[in-house]
Amino acid sequence: NAGVTQTPKFRILKIGQSMTLQCAQDMNHNYMYWYRQDPGMGLKLIYYSVGAGITDKGEVPNGYNVSRSTTEDFPLRLELAAPSQTSVYFCASSYRDGEKLFFGSGTQLSVL
Amino acid sequence: GQQLNQSPQSMFIQEGEDVSMNCTSSSIFNTWLWYKQEPGEGPVLLIALYKAGELTSNGRLTAQFGITRKDSFLNISASIPSDVGIYFCAGRDTGRRALTFGSGTRLQVQP
Repeated sequence: NAGVTQTPKFRILKIGQSMTLQCAQDMNHNYMYWYRQDPGMGLKLIYYSVGAGITDKGEVPNGYNVSRSTTEDFPLRLELAAPSQTSVYFCASSYRDGEKLFFGSGTQLSVL
Repeated sequence: GQQLNQSPQSMFIQEGEDVSMNCTSSSIFNTWLWYKQEPGEGPVLLIALYKAGELTSNGRLTAQFGITRKDSFLNISASIPSDVGIYFCAGRDTGRRALTFGSGTRLQVQP
């Protein structure tokens, strides 16, 4: 029962570096989401996808990019890392739009 | 943007006590969800609510979808140490995709 799998679990980046956070789900969900969680705060939506080949911006998309070439995978790309992107990133998926999200265990990212 | 106010921000209680927390929204929601997050993990769904006035239980947890559709409540009865964590409300209205999350209620239980 893998559910939603995120890699890596931890990462430290230097300012200006780029990286891709990986997310995969094995529940055949069409809907996938990326959220970020800053200390003591709730989750803010970065990007979401309603199916392979379709993505859209959430509340805080600046500095990020996504792609959805398959139903299973939804990677999040940081092109020029900035300290403001230090956060915990959660990927999630759902069977129906915006309902009963299943979350991965998160990626803790520090940009120094 | 959409606002979800969750209170209280934190609670420190004795084992066996009952707990109540709530969320209020600036707009009408058609779905309310309650999640629990433990350290180092992603949120896990506790209860989902889909109709105004709906009252749903999951073991010692009970949640209600407010009549006004702008609020929701979560109660935990007879708390135990494993209830420790951060509880998030989340909601969705008809005009938006994805969920909006509250800022969380951090619960600590003293054995």
